[in-house]
Amino acid sequence: AQKITQTQPGMFVQEKEAVTLDCTYDTSDPSYGLFWYKQPSSGEMIFLIYQGSYDQQNATEGRYSLNFQKARKSANLVISASQLGDSAMYFCAMREAGVTENSGGSNYKLTFGKGTLLTVNP
Amino acid sequence: DSGVTQTPKHLITATGQRVTLRCSPRSGDLSVYWYQQSLDQGLQFLIQYYNGEERAKGNILERFSAQQFPDLHSELNLSSLELGDSALYFCASNRGGGNTEAFFGQGTRLTVV
Repeated sequence: AQKITQTQPGMFVQEKEAVTLDCTYDTSDPSYGLFWYKQPSSGEMIFLIYQGSYDQQNATEGRYSLNFQKARKSANLVISASQLGDSAMYFCAMREAGVTENSGGSNYKLTFGKGTLLTVNP
Repeated sequence: DSGVTQTPKHLITATGQRVTLRCSPRSGDLSVYWYQQSLDQGLQFLIQYYNGEERAKGNILERFSAQQFPDLHSELNLSSLELGDSALYFCASNRGGGNTEAFFGQGTRLTVV
């Protein structure tokens, strides 16, 4: 079963308008983190925003905010006042903690969704 | 600039060959992660190292191996390459704690011909 689901393969938005990119997740771990990354056509992965499972308030970073609805297991990204430079692929990711068997040390890996391609129109 | 350096940026090689991808994490970061991004599989976690110790393995093929050296840089070795190994390989790093984002390098685009 997919752990991270992004149901919108592509989204279009007019410049200066707000857009919401959907993300739902599946985990039984009470402690987890949710991340959004942006990947422009140049290929690099750019961190946008983080939400911890125990955080009481929705995360915000400039024009980015995360609409975290824990009971519904959703972590939608809201971009306000879209700019042409926002056109890119957006990935939602989840970090679940695990314990390495041999050492007992913690390990963290990100599981990514398939992404949403956002196009901002002038 | 994320502070994570990957070399080379591009690599073209033939099937059956072996290549080594290199990653220098951000200063002070102890954890290194390797990811593979391909059109059909998306972004897949391969392996994590923390201060030289392997901490987690994902969908990493037996033909692939990695290590993290005492200076904390990491190498991903890909051998007996197949056409399907063509992908963008990312290295990411963070302090090691789960509540911090991982910073990604620019990636190495591997093309197997």
